Amino acid sequence: SQTIHQWPATLVQPVGSPLSLECTVEGTSNPNLYWYRQAAGRGLQLLFYSVGIGQISSEVPQNLSASRPQDRQFILSSKKLLLSDSGFYLCAWTRTGTASSYNSPLHFGNGTRLTVT
Amino acid sequence: AQTVTQSQPEMSVQEAETVTLSCTYDTSESDYYLFWYKQPPSRQMILVIRQEAYKQQNATENRFSVNFQKAAKSFSLKISDSQLGDAAMYFCAYVGNFNKFYFGSGTKLNVKP
Repeated sequence: SQTIHQWPATLVQPVGSPLSLECTVEGTSNPNLYWYRQAAGRGLQLLFYSVGIGQISSEVPQNLSASRPQDRQFILSSKKLLLSDSGFYLCAWTRTGTASSYNSPLHFGNGTRLTVT
Repeated sequence: AQTVTQSQPEMSVQEAETVTLSCTYDTSESDYYLFWYKQPPSRQMILVIRQEAYKQQNATENRFSVNFQKAAKSFSLKISDSQLGDAAMYFCAYVGNFNKFYFGSGTKLNVKP
């Protein structure tokens, strides 16, 4: 069976410090990978998604970046955190679908609660 | 980008009663999928139900069913026989041809004993 691991679960970082959140998927190959952010009491905002190694699409221009160094590893980074980067970050994956039909739901990690102080 | 709208920030239902959560979306694509996810206080995202746009039959999963109106771009979730464990945030989601999932802002469901 497939599993997704996301860490750390919680993180408190000062403004201006770097960030690295990691996500790995087991039990599948060539998944589509996603990073979402959820502000307090709000919906999920798509930040990045990747359909393969080294292929990253950014949805929201900001001081965050993402990388996919291995097939099942997705990393969210920042060189200098802002107060506005606080939130709940979720990594997710789906099976690769065809271009015209997509029937695999998103499977989420447990999330990382980031507080920037 | 596609937009998904949930116009009910919060709703309440009495235990054992039925409640309907609304969702509308905007797209020019003809082939897509719609999902409802549940997020309890643990914040784990749990898939509730999915609907394929080319299927006219509404999806059903036990006490959960949807009313999918493709022409109106509406996708509501009906929860029958509500239970205390149904209390959570509910998110509607859309995915089309470009593998990007878009979510609504969520509806907080309270279940009263």
